[in-house]
Amino acid sequence: KNQVEQSPQSLIILEGKNCTLQCNYTVSPFSNLRWYKQDTGRGPVSLTIMTFSENTKSNGRYTATLDADTKQSSLHITASQLSDSASYICVVFYGGATNKLIFGTGTLLAVQP
Amino acid sequence: ETGVTQTPRHLVMGMTNKKSLKCEQHLGHNAMYWYKQSAKKPLELMFVYSLEERVENNSVPSRFSPECPNSSHLFLHLHTLQPEDSALYLCASSQGTSGGAENEQYFGPGTRLTVT
Repeated sequence: KNQVEQSPQSLIILEGKNCTLQCNYTVSPFSNLRWYKQDTGRGPVSLTIMTFSENTKSNGRYTATLDADTKQSSLHITASQLSDSASYICVVFYGGATNKLIFGTGTLLAVQP
Repeated sequence: ETGVTQTPRHLVMGMTNKKSLKCEQHLGHNAMYWYKQSAKKPLELMFVYSLEERVENNSVPSRFSPECPNSSHLFLHLHTLQPEDSALYLCASSQGTSGGAENEQYFGPGTRLTVT
């Protein structure tokens, strides 16, 4: 069964600290994996897109990793800021020509002062 | 701003009402999407349009009726909805519909729909 699972469901950290969010998937054939940030009351905004051959990709304080062998991805946030408080959603595209996508349920991150 | 706008931002409607959600993209994209986001559930893809033609319809009830008059505008017509249809409805656009990394989706802010 094609699935995308994210952990933890929610996370509270102090401002300035680092954190890592996890995404495990079971889809085939894999096309690419995307991390989105969704602020409360807003639409998701893309942070990174990773293809099969990419292991690490950074976007400012956000660094995503992908292990295509174990079908795991992580999103590491460095030196967190209050504005990082949001839901982080992992999305996996798969299926080759059929072009399907699956969304994870997201990790709700709260950064406290 | 992502270049995708949605109106209204909030909508409260009774089960017998008829209303429409509007989405407009200013990015010159060829594909547009409707998603439903319910609390504590993953985003659900509802409809996909490519060059104004519907290319995907994910078993959505007929009380939701999409319309794409041109590649910049997308509507979702609502009628006789149920309380469980209350959710955030998101519109997105992309250059093409292939799942390749080049076709990044840009989302609008969503319409928060409450059915009473």
